[in-house]
Amino acid sequence: NAGVTQTPKFRVLKTGQSMTLLCAQDMNHEYMYWYRQDPGMGLRLIHYSVGEGTTAKGEVPDGYNVSRLKKQNFLLGLESAAPSQTSVYFCASSYSRVLAGDYNEQFFGPGTRLTVL
Amino acid sequence: AQSVTQPDIHITVSEGASLELRCNYSYGATPYLFWYVQSPGQGLQLLLKYFSGDTLVQGIKGFEAEFKRSQSSFNLRKPSVHWSDAAEYFCAVAQGAAGNKLTFGGGTRVLVKP
Repeated sequence: NAGVTQTPKFRVLKTGQSMTLLCAQDMNHEYMYWYRQDPGMGLRLIHYSVGEGTTAKGEVPDGYNVSRLKKQNFLLGLESAAPSQTSVYFCASSYSRVLAGDYNEQFFGPGTRLTVL
Repeated sequence: AQSVTQPDIHITVSEGASLELRCNYSYGATPYLFWYVQSPGQGLQLLLKYFSGDTLVQGIKGFEAEFKRSQSSFNLRKPSVHWSDAAEYFCAVAQGAAGNKLTFGGGTRVLVKP
């Protein structure tokens, strides 16, 4: 199993350009998440999805859109990139059903480093 | 709103010495607490977790953490650090077991001296 994969690994954009980040998971997880990581701020949740065709806003959703057309894929879009969106983006996935006394661990991809000039 | 504070941005420790990373949280209900490790250029890996029961939890790679409700803390420890422990460590709290709302601390970067 590949786990959670992210495409691309690196990208440089100019202000105003658009792009889509792709996240794919092969663990049959229902939940998927997009985070951004900035120095000193840890990871912050951008959007998440609890199932195919459904998405919800996280802590910092402005300037991003997402889509979950297939269970295994979760796309993050930047329609008009801004320098403030320079960050490392992480995708994660987890199961939805909680076993008694346990927790649904989130499994993370390797990240995409995005620079907006 | 829940929040997580990691007071130490950087820690330098000698190989073989003990390590303690601090984490304080703010959350109204019983917290689900986690420590993740991020090696350079990698994603996050779960080290350990706490929901209930024994307040001292064991994790992978020889790490342990202690939950102290009275201090709202969940500090991570390792008795003897190896060079491979050089990484960034994140404390996080979840809203319930479904875990779809993880709040992370700012992270602590650990440097290991030979």
